[in-house]
Amino acid sequence: QVQLVQSGAEVKKPGASVKVSCKASGYTFTSYAMHWVRQAPGQRLEWMGWINAGNGNTKYSQKFQGRVTITRDTSASTAYMELSSLRSEDTAVYYCARDPLIVVVVAATNYYYYYMDVWGKGTTVTVSS
Amino acid sequence: EIVLTQSPGTLSLSPGERATLSCRASQSVSSSYLAWYQQKPGQAPRLLIYGASSRATGIPDRFSGSGSGTDFTLTISRLEPEDFAVYYCQQYGSSRELTFGGGTKVEIK
Repeated sequence: QVQLVQSGAEVKKPGASVKVSCKASGYTFTSYAMHWVRQAPGQRLEWMGWINAGNGNTKYSQKFQGRVTITRDTSASTAYMELSSLRSEDTAVYYCARDPLIVVVVAATNYYYYYMDVWGKGTTVTVSS
Repeated sequence: EIVLTQSPGTLSLSPGERATLSCRASQSVSSSYLAWYQQKPGQAPRLLIYGASSRATGIPDRFSGSGSGTDFTLTISRLEPEDFAVYYCQQYGSSRELTFGGGTKVEIK
């Protein structure tokens, strides 16, 4: 079955970096995109960025631009999210989530759909001195 | 950046009642860019609705989505005990960034 298995919990000191992995199985990895979304305790979901697993193109949220890097290893069907210069406010659960890259053509017009249909269970990252 | 405002913040209802959740965008959003998710405590979100009104695979038909432009609605026709959770809307904006609303908590009255 389709699943995304994320790496384990991390505890980091302020100023350090963290790299979270997300291993995909049960589908063709390069036919989809992967988003990264985080959720601080008691807070809303926050989109960080995404990668087209096929061509490697990325797009990052302005909020995290310069601090986040999303990559993928197609041979391992794994996506990665690295966040640098960590601060206490980065303490959160980090999720990877698959995007099926759906395009529907109606009367010669392309309609793009953006949504996340499969989610990993999340990786808790704690930033504390 | 398009801001999504969800209301109410909390909805207190009994099982069997109808739930109507609102998601309002600060600018017009293409319907194909609007999705709804359900999240239970300690769990990852689950996709319910995509394209504003299409149910995801395996989602019961008591869940329905509607709306266009700046106003979107998620309706749960008859609440089941497992439906008490937090619901988020999500959109894709002209800046090529995705954003989520603040969430609506549906709690047992």
